[in-house]
Amino acid sequence: GENVEQHPSTLSVQEGDSAVIKCTYSDSASNYFPWYKQELGKGPQLIIDIRSNVGEKKDQRIAVTLNKTAKHFSLHITETQPEDSAVYFCAASGERGRRALTFGSGTRLQVQP
Amino acid sequence: KAGVTQTPRYLIKTRGQQVTLSCSPISGHRSVSWYQQTPGQGLQFLFEYFSETQRNKGNFPGRFSGRQFSNSRSEMNVSTLELGDSALYLCASSLGHDTGELFFGEGSRLTVL
Repeated sequence: GENVEQHPSTLSVQEGDSAVIKCTYSDSASNYFPWYKQELGKGPQLIIDIRSNVGEKKDQRIAVTLNKTAKHFSLHITETQPEDSAVYFCAASGERGRRALTFGSGTRLQVQP
Repeated sequence: KAGVTQTPRYLIKTRGQQVTLSCSPISGHRSVSWYQQTPGQGLQFLFEYFSETQRNKGNFPGRFSGRQFSNSRSEMNVSTLELGDSALYLCASSLGHDTGELFFGEGSRLTVL
């Protein structure tokens, strides 16, 4: 089955700096790669996603890049703010469909004011 | 528009007991997925229901089961509880089986003593 590895497990940045989180996946059939943000006591919330036929997608301060050949994808957050502090999860889905996501282990991002 | 509602939010059970968790999806959403979240294993897919039919199932033992009603509300059941079943159980709804993003609820936190 699919395996998703996520690095780093913790990331501390100064407000205004950029943050980058990287994930690799194992199943070449995977074709959908969402990123979720989970705040304390809440469920994960989709922040951006990308499909396998696209190499990059951007939404304001957030961008995701996908390298299908290398089977890795990354989340980039620019101009970080304290409210960006949360746990971020990458995920991948393949032939079982977009509901059966395989998640990475999560990155705890701390933005220092 | 109300979000995904999960009940109960917290519960404590003892080994050998069974538990039923409930999920009310966002109005109009017909797909409900269940995930288990633990510190050790992270987020793991349990199953997905669409139009009262199980469409996908993760790698969990048969003690974990679910169902979906005609109004799209879903329940999951865990029988013969084990200590390792202690987790946050997250329900997510989406418009269709393979369309639309996943919206997660805040979860039901189960503690097995």
